[in-house]
Amino acid sequence: GGIITQTPKFLIGQEGQKLTLKCQQNFNHDTMYWYRQDSGKGLRLIYYSITENDLQKGDLSEGYDASREKKSSFSLTVTSAQKNEMAVFLCASSNRAETLYFGSGTRLTVL
Amino acid sequence: QQKVQQSPESLSVPEGGMASFNCTSSDRNFQYFWWYRQHSGEGPKALMSIFSDGDKKEGRFTAHLNKASLHVSLHIRDSQPSDSALYFCAASLTGNTRKLIFGLGTTLQVQP
Repeated sequence: GGIITQTPKFLIGQEGQKLTLKCQQNFNHDTMYWYRQDSGKGLRLIYYSITENDLQKGDLSEGYDASREKKSSFSLTVTSAQKNEMAVFLCASSNRAETLYFGSGTRLTVL
Repeated sequence: QQKVQQSPESLSVPEGGMASFNCTSSDRNFQYFWWYRQHSGEGPKALMSIFSDGDKKEGRFTAHLNKASLHVSLHIRDSQPSDSALYFCAASLTGNTRKLIFGLGTTLQVQP
């Protein structure tokens, strides 16, 4: 079995601040994803990457950047945090058409 | 409009009872479905996938897909308190999970 590790678990930032979330997986999966989960809005895809150095935009990519420098890691940057923003950011990985495996999330609060 | 719609929003069943969840796609191009479950404080975990019409059974869990009506359901028999969680339906255009679209989820509470 494998595991997805997201850091930090909790992230508190200031309005306008650039914030970076990190994700590591040891499944040796090709594809990695970042989803945002807001209360009452399900999960929305921000970015995904099908291989090292590849980036594909999801439905919610505006205001975010991503980076996949290694097969095992995928980071997400909030380019300018919005005041009162509160969400859970979930990282996942998969191989091709198989099931997604999720991390436990990073909870973001912007003051 | 939400492309993957789930009902009900929440559900309460007694321990040992049957829990049933519904999911409908508004886009006929979505043909492949998954069910995920998320316990509080954790990430979602896949329960099962269903790609063909009919029933698929895995232990206490049974999924049913009707592609003509774009409807998929999940049934949990002999529900346990540990089944209390948020259940998501997810759909994709092909079997490729790279564009997986999630519904808003159904919250299940199993009463001991």
